[in-house]
Amino acid sequence: GAVVSQHPSRVICKSGTSVKIECRSLDFQATTMFWYRQFPKQSLMLMATSNEGSKATYEQGVEKDKFLINHASLTLSTLTVTSAHPEDSSFYICSASGGGSLAKNIQYFGAGTRLSVL
Amino acid sequence: DAKTTQPPSMDCAEGRAANLPCNHSTISGNEYVYWYRQIHSQGPQYIIHGLKNNETNEMASLIITEDRKSSTLILPHATLRDTAVYYCIVLAGGTSYGKLTFGQGTILTVHP
Repeated sequence: GAVVSQHPSRVICKSGTSVKIECRSLDFQATTMFWYRQFPKQSLMLMATSNEGSKATYEQGVEKDKFLINHASLTLSTLTVTSAHPEDSSFYICSASGGGSLAKNIQYFGAGTRLSVL
Repeated sequence: DAKTTQPPSMDCAEGRAANLPCNHSTISGNEYVYWYRQIHSQGPQYIIHGLKNNETNEMASLIITEDRKSSTLILPHATLRDTAVYYCIVLAGGTSYGKLTFGQGTILTVHP
């Protein structure tokens, strides 16, 4: 149980285009979803926290107009990188946590999306 | 949330127990200790968590000292697939909104 699917696993795009990444909780309802970014040889950095049906909360220094997060249902959150530039190239990872029988504060992670902007 | 300190790297022989320490001397009474790991180029994986009692599941055991200022994650029979970065994170429990702060973790290398 507690499977999180993230798609696509890898994307290559041209500078200036937008890229959408999907994160789905397959077998549980995700009360909260998180988006992280990880640069090579660095640790994960939280970008934003989103709760179903409400606006995402962004961490300091993360541009909310550039990284659009939508959490329209309890099983789906999307991250759109708008007008991507080479410096946005990174490993993006989502996670989800839920209530019910799942222990709160345990986050279940997707496999990540490697974004390369040319 | 309390800060944690972990050794940057450790080695372990395949089949032996891997004991990964974590120091969290400023932990508060309502804060849990969580362990995650990240295998190269994958998303992190939850391993185990605990408050003050020792915990065991199918993946690992968590030993928390009586004063709660440190803990040890034990992988009883390490395999090559356990090679990963292991993160010890302290977080207040009780809500589903807890933000995980990942430090540098411990790079565990299991060798044949």
